[in-house]
Amino acid sequence: QQPVQSPQAVILREGEDAVINCSSSKALYSVHWYRQKHGEAPVFLMILLKGGEQKGHDKISASFNEKKQQSSLYLTASQLSYSGTYFCGTRGTSYDKVIFGPGTSLSVIP
Amino acid sequence: DGGITQSPKYLFRKEGQNVTLSCEQNLNHDAMYWYRQDPGQGLRLIYYSQIVNDFQKGDIAEGYSVSREKKESFPLTVTSAQKNPTAFYLCASSLLDRANQPQHFGDGTRLSIL
Repeated sequence: QQPVQSPQAVILREGEDAVINCSSSKALYSVHWYRQKHGEAPVFLMILLKGGEQKGHDKISASFNEKKQQSSLYLTASQLSYSGTYFCGTRGTSYDKVIFGPGTSLSVIP
Repeated sequence: DGGITQSPKYLFRKEGQNVTLSCEQNLNHDAMYWYRQDPGQGLRLIYYSQIVNDFQKGDIAEGYSVSREKKESFPLTVTSAQKNPTAFYLCASSLLDRANQPQHFGDGTRLSIL
């Protein structure tokens, strides 16, 4: 089942913060985050495994709440380079394929 | 530099024609994947392969076929049975699929109908 992402789209000014959410109706084993710029390949950001861990990647971090079956991606002090579509992918077990959400379009303006 | 190469970048298909999209990787990855991307729908899995000479259908395999004769190569054929082939096609690869390894994507092929 495809995960749900919110918001669908967000516009930020440089320096503002954003949160992108990814939720599933099923129990999750892991959550994967990718960013894709228009017409380009998706680029891997991070993977979170069940256990409620939080990971960081420069000013981009994420949390995973397995009880709530959701993950959140935090972008702090946004930069123009953060613009793109953010996808979460989820796995119910280690044997499942990754199922990607519909994406959240993020635009950072000066 | 290691990576995934998809070709061609743009492809046009005539009615009733089969077309083949190329995907080559030199990352020594075991698993390879094909995704279709339509606006607002994210990435949908067409086929995947975890080992040479073996592959499995994804969620939208109808109208597509693949082969995995070499570890480095995973070509996708869009057959005439696929009535709505216009989309952005992405190939990806990763280490063993169950190890929660990240997927590395190619730059994609944009397929359109003439």
